[in-house]
Parts: sequence; C-alpha cells; structure tokens
Amino acid sequence: ETGVTQTPRHLVMGMTNKKSLKCEQHLGHNAMYWYKQSAKKPLELMFVYSLEERVENNSVPSRFSPECPNSSHLFLHLHTLQPEDSALYLCASSQATGVTEAFFGQGTRLTVV
Amino acid sequence: AQSVTQPDIHITVSEGASLELRCNYSYGATPYLFWYVQSPGQGLQLLLKYFSGDTLVQGIKGFEAEFKRSQSSFNLRKPSVHWSDAAEYFCAVGAKGGGADGLTFGKGTHLIIQP
Repeated sequence: ETGVTQTPRHLVMGMTNKKSLKCEQHLGHNAMYWYKQSAKKPLELMFVYSLEERVENNSVPSRFSPECPNSSHLFLHLHTLQPEDSALYLCASSQATGVTEAFFGQGTRLTVV
Repeated sequence: AQSVTQPDIHITVSEGASLELRCNYSYGATPYLFWYVQSPGQGLQLLLKYFSGDTLVQGIKGFEAEFKRSQSSFNLRKPSVHWSDAAEYFCAVGAKGGGADGLTFGKGTHLIIQP
C-alpha cells in the first residue's frame, strides 16, 4: 500500500457536475497539499494544509474547494469546472511545512467535457 | 523569488550509457534541492535531496546529484541507464522554512531510453 492514496485515478465530468477528489495519507504526516499538473507547465501548488488548517491558497478559482477534516484526509471539491481545468491533480504530504520532502500520490487524471 | 530551469525538455540516451540531466536554480540563500521522477500516469517519487553537507548526494535507483553553488546547478547523473529509467524528471528548489509549500518545480525533462 502506498503512503499517499488518491481516488479516483481517472474522472470525466461535465462542466455542470459536482465531484470530489479524495486523498489519504498513511504516513503520520501533518501537512498535505494539492498540486495541479498540466501539460507542458510546471507543477502548480494549489492548497496547503498544516494540522488541518489551510495555510496557503495560491489564488485558486473558487470552483475548487479544499477540505481537510483530519490530518490523514484531504478532499478537493469541484464544481462548474472549465475544460482548461483538465489536468492531473496530485496530492502530497510531508512531515511538516518546514522543508522536508513531499510524498506524492499517483494523481487523479481529470477531464472536463 | 526562487526559480528552477531544466534546459532540456527531452533527452534520449542509449541503454547502458551514462546520463546527466541539468538543473539550474535561482535563489538568494542556500537552497534545498530535490530531484523527483514521474513514470507515466503516476505521481512523483523522490530520488534524492540536498539540504547541506556533502555536495555529492546519493539517491535511490543508482542516481546521484552534485550541488555546485558557483554554477547554481544541481545536475542529476547515473553511470548506466536502464530501460526502466524512461520517465519524466523534475528538479525542485525549496526555501528554508518554506516547506513543501515553498517548493518550486522545473518544467521537467522527459528521458527516452533507446535499446
């Protein structure tokens, strides 16, 4: 079992749908992150949570809504997305938000139609 | 602001040949540096990291990287590549106290292995 698990692995949704991405970490880490990976662009940090509190939001549109109910789980709620939101969404965790290495999940491949 | 440049978008290497992937960073103080590898459809896996100390760091899968402050570089090397090394490689730089929230990634280098 990997340390960081994301579900689903693939998701196709219409622009009017509402869906959620789930991330679970089994590493006892205190910090969790959402990244967006689009073709030919660097990884973009979307949200950072430390001990279940959001500490950073990099100007992400409100159609993306994160939730961190506890230090092991992180969700990304999606609604009224645009086709340009199609990307690989990666969850990561680290021991803390100090500079320690981040451990990544396998990602959710999202396609908005 | 910190930045990372990976000059090579694609690199093609024959199986068994040596490999060097370039990474240059821009940061005002001593950076924390990372190399990650991503196989198709997968997340990122940490290969190695440099925080301080010996400038030559060893990682998993036979990879190593050398921090050269004078050149602002952190190039990744492997003496002999295997077909399974074909993947996307990302260099990242972080700031002390910035955490993974402070990690800045390069655009990646796509490694192709020729038989």
